[in-house]
Amino acid sequence: DARVTQTPRHKVTEMGQEVTMRCQPILGHNTVFWYRQTMMQGLELLAYFRNRAPLDDSGMPKDRFSAEMPDATLATLKIQPSEPRDSAVYFCASGIPDGYSPLHFGNGTRLTVT
Amino acid sequence: DQQVKQNSPSLSVQEGRISILNCDYTNSMFDYFLWYKKYPAEGPTFLISISSIKDKNEDGRFTVFLNKSAKHLSLHIVPSQPGDSAVYFCAARRTTSGTYKYIFGTGTRLKVLA
Repeated sequence: DARVTQTPRHKVTEMGQEVTMRCQPILGHNTVFWYRQTMMQGLELLAYFRNRAPLDDSGMPKDRFSAEMPDATLATLKIQPSEPRDSAVYFCASGIPDGYSPLHFGNGTRLTVT
Repeated sequence: DQQVKQNSPSLSVQEGRISILNCDYTNSMFDYFLWYKKYPAEGPTFLISISSIKDKNEDGRFTVFLNKSAKHLSLHIVPSQPGDSAVYFCAARRTTSGTYKYIFGTGTRLKVLA
C-alpha cells in the first residue's frame, strides 16, 4: 500500500533555529503539496509543486519559509529562523490531480518551537 | 477568506444513529468535492468524493450530497460506529482552472458515543 512518508514525525526546536521537514511522495505522483494544520485555519495550503516545478507558494510567509523539490522522490520545507507561532502540524500530500482524483497525505511533522 | 467552511467544530452522535456533517463553499467554480477523515497523530485519509455533475454519491455507510444552488455539501454516515470518531475535513477544487489547489475547511470533530 503506497504511502507518503514524512520525516521527522516530531521536532522540538528553539526560536531562531532552522527547521527542515522532508517528504517522499508516492511514486508516480506528479504533484506535491505542503499544508499546515492550525485550529483556526484548518488545513492551510502553503505551497505546491507539479512535476517538481513550484506552482504556488502564496500561502507561505516568504521571509522565513522556503519549499523545494530537488528530485521526484523528495520535497523539503524549511523554516529559517523559526518562531513560536510556527508551531503546528505540517502535512505533505501527493496526487495526480488531472480531473477527479484525491490527494494522499503523509502522517505529518509536529513542530514545536519554544 | 475561507472559501470552504465547516461551521460546526464538533458533533456528538449516539452509536447506530445517523451522523450528518455539513460544509459550505463560496466559489461557484468549484466542481470537485472531497471528504477526509483524520485520526489523532495520523494524516487525513480520503473517504469519499463527488463531482459537480452529480448530487449524490454513496459508498457503503457513507453518502455525500451536493446542493450546487446552495453551495452546500453534506456527509451522512449511517449507522454511526465508535470507530467513526475522528475529525472530518471537506475539501473542494476547481478542476478546469489549470491550477491544482485543494482547499480545505477547518474540520468537524465527530464523537460517536457507544
